[in-house]
Amino acid sequence: DGGITQSPKYLFRKEGQNVTLSCEQNLNHDAMYWYRQDPGQGLRLIYYSQIVNDFQKGDIAEGYSVSREKKESFPLTVTSAQKNPTAFYLCASRETSGDGTQYFGPGTRLLVL
Amino acid sequence: AQSVAQPEDQVNVAEGNPLTVKCTYSVSGNPYLFWYVQYPNRGLQFLLKYITGDNLVKGSYGFEAEFNKSQTSFHLKKPSALVSDSALYFCAVRTDRGSTLGRLYFGRGTQLTVWP
Repeated sequence: DGGITQSPKYLFRKEGQNVTLSCEQNLNHDAMYWYRQDPGQGLRLIYYSQIVNDFQKGDIAEGYSVSREKKESFPLTVTSAQKNPTAFYLCASRETSGDGTQYFGPGTRLLVL
Repeated sequence: AQSVAQPEDQVNVAEGNPLTVKCTYSVSGNPYLFWYVQYPNRGLQFLLKYITGDNLVKGSYGFEAEFNKSQTSFHLKKPSALVSDSALYFCAVRTDRGSTLGRLYFGRGTQLTVWP
């Protein structure tokens, strides 16, 4: 987990509410990723960013939004359009050059009230 | 399209016995292969990777994996399992070319349980 922090560890969302998950890294990595993990489904890619001020949709981007204004930060907003947000959310980063090893944060568990 | 299959949802092994967690992949171009481990309510920890070179790669905590190009497999192994190895294991692959360069594709995970 070293070098990547995610907060909060647990997050509760009310109906119709937008919530934002924080991801910060001090590894000087260019690329950052957001994954959603549900039991038995592995990791599914939500959004990724190869460089500041640029990001691409992954496989399940609907109901989510991101920004990449700083190299160190890649926050994920879960909007009210995401009807089933309960999951474990993982942020990762990697160097743009090199072999592509991604390093993960400790995760945020989102629960719906 | 890139994909990874982990054919076993669960692997059970007695402590002290060898363990194998299976992974097969499909990728265009040359594969870069990775194994990660996840403990409950934690992020993924990198275990080992194959990029090029020797087909047998060694990683953290005594784990190793063998790359087999003809069988498109990258099975994770350990000669003697420990109870503390019990965790969820993910195999991942990326390609060395194309528009999805840098993106990892993950298997669904295999839950390893080591019995004392």
